[in-house]
Amino acid sequence: DAGITQSPRHKVTETGTPVTLRCHQTENHRYMYWYRQDPGHGLRLIHYSYGVKDTDKGEVSDGYSVSRSKTEDFLLTLESATSSQTSVYFCAIRGQGMEGDTQYFGPGTRLTVL
Amino acid sequence: SQQGEEDPQALSIQEGENATMNCSYKTSINNLQWYRQNSGRGLVHLILIRSNEREKHSGRLRVTLDTSKKSSSLLITASRAADTASYFCATGTPGTSGSARQLTFGSGTQLTVLP
Repeated sequence: DAGITQSPRHKVTETGTPVTLRCHQTENHRYMYWYRQDPGHGLRLIHYSYGVKDTDKGEVSDGYSVSRSKTEDFLLTLESATSSQTSVYFCAIRGQGMEGDTQYFGPGTRLTVL
Repeated sequence: SQQGEEDPQALSIQEGENATMNCSYKTSINNLQWYRQNSGRGLVHLILIRSNEREKHSGRLRVTLDTSKKSSSLLITASRAADTASYFCATGTPGTSGSARQLTFGSGTQLTVLP
């Protein structure tokens, strides 16, 4: 998984509670991405980061915020979780140099909002 | 919105047969990539083909790209049970926000290779 870890790997929470997912990389990559994966939708981009404190919205950003205070960590926060946010969340990094168009994915976090 | 759409959604074949999956997309692209996802795991990059290329090979994988038809195909030859996975195409488009080089993924083809 290209030196990418995600925590927690599984989480069950209740509607209305805040949730933070963490993505950690060890290879000093500049670009990091958060996706959600739902049946029939493939992967959809939530937010991405192009450097420390530099982030931008993706296709499905409503209800999510992100932060990147250091290169190796990219946090995804659900301020007030809803059942529609039950999903599998993947973090990815962008390759460097000749692999700059390729993304490498973490193992995923399965989130259930009851 | 999804840029790439895979076809078929599901494919079941016998070990040793070839598997072909197709991807169609809507807008101009810089490149098209194929990823594999084993059950419960993250996506793994398989192969990338650039918009000025028509065919690319990697081991048992062959990818073609037809930009006039906005379509790509992934061929896996001599399939094995270990090839059982979901396969996704992803497109990289020019002019995407800054230099973030976002990818847009299709909904995938579930391939089952029977022993």
